[in-house]
This record gives sequence, C-alpha cells and structure tokens, in this order.
Amino acid sequence: GAGVSQSPSNKVTEKGKDVELRCDPISGHTALYWYRQSLGQGLEFLIYFQGNSAPDKSGLPSDRFSAERTGGSVSTLTIQRTQQEDSAVYLCASSRQGSADTQYFGPGTRLTVL
Amino acid sequence: SQQGEEDPQALSIQEGENATMNCSYKTSINNLQWYRQNSGRGLVHLILIRSNEREKHSGRLRVTLDTSKKSSSLLITASRAADTASYFCATDPRQGGKLIFGQGTELSVKP
Repeated sequence: GAGVSQSPSNKVTEKGKDVELRCDPISGHTALYWYRQSLGQGLEFLIYFQGNSAPDKSGLPSDRFSAERTGGSVSTLTIQRTQQEDSAVYLCASSRQGSADTQYFGPGTRLTVL
Repeated sequence: SQQGEEDPQALSIQEGENATMNCSYKTSINNLQWYRQNSGRGLVHLILIRSNEREKHSGRLRVTLDTSKKSSSLLITASRAADTASYFCATDPRQGGKLIFGQGTELSVKP
C-alpha cells in the first residue's frame, strides 16, 4: 500500500515568511509524528498526534511552530516568521496505534530559509 | 536532548566484512528500533526489539538488547556496497509515542 507522503519535497523561503508543510499518513494509522533533522544530526522530535487525544507538543522549539491534524488524517506543520536556524529536513511518520508500534517515515521536506 | 548515543560515529569497511554499530540510552524503554537513512532523506525501518527481548534477527541483520546496560547493537553480516547509509537507533522512552534518536553511525562499505 501507499506509504507516508510529504509535500513539498523542497521549499526555499525568505527569512520572515510563513511556510506550511503537509503530511499524508498511511491510511488507517492513528498516530502521526513530526521530527526535524538538521544537517548531519539525528532526528529531533517536534509533535505527536494520537487519535482524538490532545497532541504532545513538547518538542516544538518555539511558539512560531504549530501543527494540526484534520479529520484524524492529514497534518500540516506551520512555521511562522521563519528564521535561518529553521533550515532542516522535516520528517513525518505514522504508526498504527502509537506507542510501541513501528513508525513509518515519509521522504521529508527539505526547508531552506535564506 | 538526545537519549541515544551511537558508536562509532563513522565506520568504513570492505564488502563482505561484518559491520557492528552500538547504541546506548539513558531511561527505561518500551522498545528500541533501528533505522537506516540514505542521503539525508526518509528513514527506513529495519528492526524493532522489545524490552523483554534479548536478540532478534532479520535477514543479514542481528540486533541485541541489554536492558541492564541500557545498550543495543546492530550487526550487519556480509556487508554490501548498497548497505552504505546512516544508521540510527531510536528508543521509545515510555513518554508517549515519540522516539528519541541517536546521532547515527555513518557506514561506508567499499566494493
């Protein structure tokens, strides 16, 4: 079946602009995660959605970052007033039921803030 | 902060040799997973080992888990040039569903 998809694959923006990154999880997966990976680094957890529960936002680095998940499926990560340090690959993952399940990753969105 | 630490940071071997990567972590976990990443993009899940398991095999991969030492190892046997990638361990630290990733081991397999 189809895997996790993300769009756009690449995004170049100017400092101060807002960006929206989209994630389509695997159909039927109730859990969705956002991570980011800066150049040469491991992945940093951002936010986790599980079903209808309140999301775990503990990894969001500032209030410029927000995410929503509509209808329990598609998710959008929004970064407002982008800064150069926001440049990274943003990865989305989904899993069947959340904790203790395998997470399947999308190809990522490479964000470059000029 | 990152929970996992991986060792070595980089490993270069010849095709046919075995590659061993190690991962240490700090807190109690539900499970530990190993992922592979090519060219800094999407991660491919390799294997998941639960906290009550000690060893698991999948094809040429062998993973061990020692919860008393809070460490895991990934062994790739009979390596191939196509195994060249970055390998990450990730722990589920019983804090909800998020995974905590190590910094990764960059493996280079020379033909």
